[in-house]
Amino acid sequence: QQQVKQSPQSLIVQKGGISIINCAYENTAFDYFPWYQQFPGKGPALLIAIRPDVSEKKEGRFTISFNKSAKQFSLHIMDSQPGDSATYFCAANLLTDYKLSFGAGTTVTVRA
Amino acid sequence: DVKVTQSSRYLVKRTGEKVFLECVQDMDHENMFWYRQDPGLGLRLIYFSYDVKMKEKGDIPEGYSVSREKKERFSLILESASTNQTSMYLCASIAGGTDTQYFGPGTRLTVL
Repeated sequence: QQQVKQSPQSLIVQKGGISIINCAYENTAFDYFPWYQQFPGKGPALLIAIRPDVSEKKEGRFTISFNKSAKQFSLHIMDSQPGDSATYFCAANLLTDYKLSFGAGTTVTVRA
Repeated sequence: DVKVTQSSRYLVKRTGEKVFLECVQDMDHENMFWYRQDPGLGLRLIYFSYDVKMKEKGDIPEGYSVSREKKERFSLILESASTNQTSMYLCASIAGGTDTQYFGPGTRLTVL
């Protein structure tokens, strides 16, 4: 049973548009919520992460929004670029045991 | 830069064969993980290790075993490969007290 549910499975966005990926989690004890980015033929790499004591974190064009009461968090990619085309995974874990629970992944395609 | 390497990028094996997947990290990380990645299912944890000679089952350990004789090396063993073990296998490591897992490039295993 997947502890982190991710949607949509895929999305297509025009260059310059906004990509939004949503995740919901079950375990209220989770205290770390990272997003990983994976390009074809590569392993996932950490993109951005948030802890539940803040509601938003921004790094460049990437923003995580976090809603603790709804047990949901989302990734916003602003001004999407063709180089952002990749698969994005949300995840969650307890920092004390390092075991990540991953969402199913979202394939983002940015059209030039 | 942390580097996690996996012994093979592509592997083709026959049903019933014993398969070894090797992972090496060069940053003296205590914690290492094996995941499998399948479309629509994201990454699922097979086994992990907090230290040399220590191992713990993840979410889907059936049909797999692991070995960690040295700190830098974590091996995944398929005792008798089956077609439903055809997948992408990803190794990861993380230093104790930190929050970022570093992934290898993956091994795409096909079992015929």
